[in-house]
Amino acid sequence: EAQVTQNPRYLITVTGKKLTVTCSQNMNHEYMSWYRQDPGLGLRQIYYSMNVEVTDKGDVPEGYKVSRKEKRNFPLILESPSPNQTSLYFCASSFKGRYRAYNEQFFGPGTRLTVL
Amino acid sequence: GENVEQHPSTLSVQEGDSAVIKCTYSDSASNYFPWYKQELGKGPQLIIDIRSNVGEKKDQRIAVTLNKTAKHFSLHITETQPEDSAVYFCAAGFHNTDKLIFGTGTRLQVFP
Repeated sequence: EAQVTQNPRYLITVTGKKLTVTCSQNMNHEYMSWYRQDPGLGLRQIYYSMNVEVTDKGDVPEGYKVSRKEKRNFPLILESPSPNQTSLYFCASSFKGRYRAYNEQFFGPGTRLTVL
Repeated sequence: GENVEQHPSTLSVQEGDSAVIKCTYSDSASNYFPWYKQELGKGPQLIIDIRSNVGEKKDQRIAVTLNKTAKHFSLHITETQPEDSAVYFCAAGFHNTDKLIFGTGTRLQVFP
């Protein structure tokens, strides 16, 4: 089944304790992206990647890191989490295609992170 | 900067009625406008998209219209059903970037 998987689905942690949220897709997509969803703010892009070893900042990259060592994986790293990073996080992927990244993005099920 | 405004934030309709959600974008060079539906506990899923070379696109009960002059695009759902209840997001692909900018979402409730 074609899908984007994220782990963990739920995470409660404390300020300053490094964590990684994994994202994997089995559709051979070039483009992958991380979003955070907050009430009243919609989906805001954190980082995206157009291909292996190519990453770029989205609109809210502060406090996050990513890496793209393999095509299928795009982990999100919080080196020193803070309470303002409490949010619902989504990973997404799509074919790069002709029109930049303007193809259907497939979203994972989400990771709900709470930083105490 | 790049911005997409979406209205209303909540919308309640009776089953069988129509629902309209509107979005406005800031960059006149934007050329791709998708709509995503997010059901409770799930990730958003694409339901329809439109590119700037067309003014309207339909798929059964769903239609999207685009007014490039006014920088508006809208989602129209006819004959609404309870399973249409969800959060809907519009988005715009901005010129010379590889990212989508999403609106703030509309929570649609369809009452039987």
